[in-house]
Amino acid sequence: DIQMTQSPSSLSASVGDRVTITCRASQSISTYLNWYQQKPGKAPKFLIYAASSLQSGVPSNFSGSGSGTDFTLTISSLQPEDFATYYCQQSYNTPYTFGQGTKLEIK
Amino acid sequence: QVQLVQSGAEVKKPGASVKISCKASGYSFTSYYIHWVRQAPGQGLEWMGIINTSGGSASFAQNFQGRVTVTRDTSTSTVWMELSSLRSEDTAVYYCSRDYIPLGGRYSDSWGQGTLVTVSS
Repeated sequence: DIQMTQSPSSLSASVGDRVTITCRASQSISTYLNWYQQKPGKAPKFLIYAASSLQSGVPSNFSGSGSGTDFTLTISSLQPEDFATYYCQQSYNTPYTFGQGTKLEIK
Repeated sequence: QVQLVQSGAEVKKPGASVKISCKASGYSFTSYYIHWVRQAPGQGLEWMGIINTSGGSASFAQNFQGRVTVTRDTSTSTVWMELSSLRSEDTAVYYCSRDYIPLGGRYSDSWGQGTLVTVSS
């Protein structure tokens, strides 16, 4: 199975800050990398696929990059509604494993 | 609009089985696979498996093989996930999600609301 490792596990930041979350795959997954946002008590919300393609309706302050084994999710200017937990997921092959999550908290 | 509506919360004893439903609406049911993902309390997301809603074939993560069965009824646009030999570690919220395959990718674009399964003696 492909292991997905996110860093950091948690992050404190302020509104307006730029933050970057990293996701590393245990083997090359090309660009088969998704990002999801989850708020407490809610189902995950899809944000980005193919490492850098933004879902329609997702604010443009979200961006993704990377290929092979190393990927990043960047939020260029944090908004109050962005404080949540973020997960990466590889869709290269089954099982479609998730990273352990990064909890983004208000400083 | 696309909707996935799951069945309600369940409380089960260790060793029992649970069967959760996921009813799809707002799209052509057999044109999209369905994933199952679970989340233990305070923990991350764990991918369980996927079913081809057209042909009915399914694939599961090794952790669940032999304990999980996923079936579908195309006449009612419903998928069921049954997990057997429950143990306390199976206490989690279980989600179904729709599989979407654009060029160069694959992801879950719509999710059910989740079903809490509590395993307790």
